[in-house]
Amino acid sequence: EAAVTQSPRNKVAVTGGKVTLSCNQTNNHNNMYWYRQDTGHGLRLIHYSYGAGSTEKGDIPDGYKASRPSQENFSLILELATPSQTSVYFCASGDALGGPYAEQFFGPGTRLTVL
Amino acid sequence: GDSVTQTEGQVALSEEDFLTIHCNYSASGYPALFWYVQYPGEGPQFLFRASRDKEKGSSRGFEATYNKEATSFHLQKASVQESDSAVYYCALRGSALGRLHFGAGTQLIVIP
Repeated sequence: EAAVTQSPRNKVAVTGGKVTLSCNQTNNHNNMYWYRQDTGHGLRLIHYSYGAGSTEKGDIPDGYKASRPSQENFSLILELATPSQTSVYFCASGDALGGPYAEQFFGPGTRLTVL
Repeated sequence: GDSVTQTEGQVALSEEDFLTIHCNYSASGYPALFWYVQYPGEGPQFLFRASRDKEKGSSRGFEATYNKEATSFHLQKASVQESDSAVYYCALRGSALGRLHFGAGTQLIVIP
C-alpha cells in the first residue's frame, strides 16, 4: 500500500518565524510535490522534485524553499512565515516511470496557522 | 498554459439523484485527464484517468468520457449516496515531465 506521511499534522507559528514541514514516502517514487490548498483556489503547486538533490519551482514558489535530501524525504521550508501562508499543505509522490498517466499519492495534510 | 475549469463551489443533491460535475480543459495535444476525490480530513485520492479521445474512465460508480472536440471530461454518477459527499478535483497533465494542473474543486453535498 502506497504511503505518504506528513509531520507535523498541525502547526501554529508566529510571523517571521521559520517553519519546516516534512514529508516521507515509502513508495520508492522519484517524483514528489508540495501543494497548498485554499478555498476557491483548489490545489496549487509550490515546489516539486524529480529525485534526491533536485528541486523545481512550481506555480507559487515565492516565500517557500524545498529540500530533497533523499528519495524518501521532501521538506518545505518557510524561512520567514507570514499570515498569508496560513493554509493546508499537502505532499504527494508519483512514479516517474508511469509517464503522464501516473497518479499521485497524497499525504494527509498539514494545517499551518501563522499568527 | 495548461488549465482546468470545473463546476464552481458546491453541488447539493439528494440521495439517488444524478450527478454531473463539469470539467473543461485548455491544453495542447492529448493531455492525460484525471479525477481525484478528497474526503473530509484526508488528502486527495486518485479516482480514475483517461488518456485519449472518447476513452471512458470509471471507478466506484463514477465515470467520465474524454471529449477532445469539446475539451471536456465531465464527472457523472447515476445515483449518489451520502457517502459520496466530498470535494472532487479535475486535473490534467500535458506531458510525462509535466505537473498535474488541478481545477478549483467542487464540493458535493448529498442529503440523505
